Order: sequence, then C-alpha cells, then structure tokens
Amino acid sequence: KAGVTQTPRYLIKTRGQQVTLSCSPISGHRSVSWYQQTPGQGLQFLFEYFSETQRNKGNFPGRFSGRQFSNSRSEMNVSTLELGDSALYLCASSDRGNTEAFFGQGTRLTVV
Amino acid sequence: GENVEQHPSTLSVQEGDSAVIKCTYSDSASNYFPWYKQELGKRPQLIIDIRSNVGEKKDQRIAVTLNKTAKHFSLHITETQPEDSAVYFCAASITSGGSNYKLTFGKGTLLTVNP
Repeated sequence: KAGVTQTPRYLIKTRGQQVTLSCSPISGHRSVSWYQQTPGQGLQFLFEYFSETQRNKGNFPGRFSGRQFSNSRSEMNVSTLELGDSALYLCASSDRGNTEAFFGQGTRLTVV
Repeated sequence: GENVEQHPSTLSVQEGDSAVIKCTYSDSASNYFPWYKQELGKRPQLIIDIRSNVGEKKDQRIAVTLNKTAKHFSLHITETQPEDSAVYFCAASITSGGSNYKLTFGKGTLLTVNP
C-alpha cells in the first residue's frame, strides 16, 4: 500500500502570493488532517476533512482553507502569503475505525 | 480547547540508559494519546499509543503510562540506542467512532543518545 503522498515537496513563494498544496491519503482512508510545523510552535492543527466535509478547524486565520475531493484527496490553500507562513505543512490520513494517523513527508513552504 | 505540555524539551542520555518524557493535557474528554518519533528531515511516525481505558502499554523497549486523574502520560524508553535519537512528540485527541478528529501536540523533546 502506498503511503500518504504530498506534493510538491518544496515551494518558494513571494509575500502576497497564494499557494495550493496537495495531499493524497492512503488508499481507503477517508479522513485527512493538515498540520503546520514550525520550530517555535511545533505541530499545530489546521483542519480535518472526512468524506468531503470539514469536521474540525484549528485556530488559523481565514487565509488558510482546504477542501477534499470525492476520491479523498485533499488540497490546502493559503492566500496572501506572509513571511510567518514559512513552515513544513504535513497532512495525515486515517481510516474510520482506526485511530492511527499516518503522516506524509510534508511540503516545505518558504515565503520570501 | 485542549492544551498539551511536554517536558523536557531536550534530553541527552548515554547509550543503554533509560529516557523518560512527560506530558500533561488539559481536556478531561481526551481519550487517545499517541507518541510520534520524527527523525531529522522525515515524517512523524507513530511509535506507541494508549487509550484512556488503559493505564499502561508496552512494546519491547518502549512503554507508555497514563494517569487520567492527574491528566498526564509518559513515554519510557529503556536500553536506549543511538538510533533512538530523534524528536519525540506526545499528542492528545478526542476520538469518536474510532476516528481521529484532531491531534493536539506537545512541543516535542529532542532526545540525543550518546554512544
């Protein structure tokens, strides 16, 4: 079984631009969560989707949004990028009935 | 919302010694407590987890204990090896229907095992 796949692995953007990150969960997993990882704040929850519905949302501004498609793939969008958005963005998938969350390799976003 | 505190932030031990990392959580409704290991440049990987109806769980050299009354849980690694060197994260979650909705993580512990 293939693991959680995130694309792209690395991204450099300019302040004010927007960015879209993609996450393909493990086959059969319907829950996808997104996390932001920074040295200062650690791993912080952004949002979680299950069957195309956002079930939970963390404390991030509205510039951070996401969606999930019918094949469970998920995208995360950040608009009007700020320098502080530079981080490793991780997604995790899990299977209904199983609490383990499997993480992808992450997308390293650098905002300059 | 849930808040998870993790200590210490760094831990250095000699190979063969034991290492203990402690976490406290604030939301008494949390019922699932995983521990993740993240090596440099790699993804976090689950190493052990415990549910609130269990007080202790062991897997070879790794064990986790949970005190629901005090709202704290700990990771114990015995006979440490250099390959145990990594950042370890604790987390807490309220699960429903067997699925995770949201993991709240501690800030992490950098464990260094010196040969």
